[in-house]
Amino acid sequence: DAKTTQPPSMDCAEGRAANLPCNHSTISGNEYVYWYRQIHSQGPQYIIHGLKNNETNEMASLIITEDRKSSTLILPHATLRDTAVYYCIVRVLNAGGTSYGKLTFGQGTILTVHP
Amino acid sequence: DAGVTQSPTHLIKTRGQQVTLRCSPKSGHDTVSWYQQALGQGPQFIFQYYEEEERQRGNFPDRFSGHQFPNYSSELNVNALLLGDSALYLCASSLVGRNYNEQFFGPGTRLTVL
Repeated sequence: DAKTTQPPSMDCAEGRAANLPCNHSTISGNEYVYWYRQIHSQGPQYIIHGLKNNETNEMASLIITEDRKSSTLILPHATLRDTAVYYCIVRVLNAGGTSYGKLTFGQGTILTVHP
Repeated sequence: DAGVTQSPTHLIKTRGQQVTLRCSPKSGHDTVSWYQQALGQGPQFIFQYYEEEERQRGNFPDRFSGHQFPNYSSELNVNALLLGDSALYLCASSLVGRNYNEQFFGPGTRLTVL
């Protein structure tokens, strides 16, 4: 799996958008970008994933650059409950959409949302 | 719909002892993965079980072993415990065949080795 680089920490004001960057310059064509977050003392939680198109769900939006070397996770209206460690992960899905694959976590970005 | 459950929540052992951690996957899931998370670090992949067989393994010694039962639940066993084995042990479940293989994590078992 390709290596990812994230800033160690970021701050955001409550109600504002939180934009978390991730660099994955060595990503391969068959690797997806995944985002997970881990709130203190809990297990990681899946947020969103994408291959090359921008994606949006009820939690966040994922913007992937055209060359796929970087991406940004956007929390449109951050709340105090969004304070967590955010992990950007790239991984392969095997042919047919199945995968036994592991998740390779880095250090992640500690996002602190302030009142 | 029950999520991933793990037991026990906390455990204290001494060096050289053996420990067994347990995981029940989310309802409908057939694959279980185990991760070790040291304090201040991201989770590290230990191994993954599917159809009662170990399918992938991370860079962990043979002291770490596992098992998956016919009901898809799983155990993680660690022998000859070292102080460095103190960590949060996370179990994640998923369903093979889903398009993106989202993994659902349990709350973890906090292991302290004295």
